[in-house]
Amino acid sequence: GDSVTQMEGPVTLSEEAFLTINCTYTATGYPSLFWYVQYPGEGLQLLLKATKADDKGSNKGFEATYRKETTSFHLEKGSVQVSDSAVYFCALSDIYSNYQLIWGAGTKLIIKP
Amino acid sequence: EAQVTQNPRYLITVTGKKLTVTCSQNMNHEYMSWYRQDPGLGLRQIYYSMNVEVTDKGDVPEGYKVSRKEKRNFPLILESPSPNQTSLYFCASSQTPGLRSGNTIYFGEGSWLTVV
Repeated sequence: GDSVTQMEGPVTLSEEAFLTINCTYTATGYPSLFWYVQYPGEGLQLLLKATKADDKGSNKGFEATYRKETTSFHLEKGSVQVSDSAVYFCALSDIYSNYQLIWGAGTKLIIKP
Repeated sequence: EAQVTQNPRYLITVTGKKLTVTCSQNMNHEYMSWYRQDPGLGLRQIYYSMNVEVTDKGDVPEGYKVSRKEKRNFPLILESPSPNQTSLYFCASSQTPGLRSGNTIYFGEGSWLTVV
């Protein structure tokens, strides 16, 4: 079945550092890919998404490119801020999962001033 | 404002004492679901509902019940809670289950449940 694998956390960076959170997937079909963010004490919010190969999703300075050849959707940001500290979830959805979201385990990001 | 509201946000209860976590959405969405979030396991779907009176099991339904008598409400019921149900629970809704272009899933703020 479909699955999503994320790098284990926590990831600790200094402010203004470059961020990469790895996400790879296995899927039967051609899934849509998502990054959700969970700030402390809050629910999940959609951060960005990509629905087909080579699409780039972007939002709030974060980017992720749908790489079909490497089955990856890595999250990147050029200069992180303390306010980016949160848990980040990679997820996919496709017809073979009946469009239910398949989630990664989440990666906690800690940004130090 | 589009909202998914869960209650209670925090609860400590004892083994075997029935409890209900309520979930309400104000967007007239057809699809609602419940997830639990545990460290290292991400989010796992408990139950979902495609519409009123239509519910189905997700990946981890054991020990839970749901009902969907009205479109806006989707309560999660723990008939006899056990310590392994200690978790963070999220309710979610969307217009359709399909995450096709333009469709967004809205999540509640979460309910921390501790069973002792």
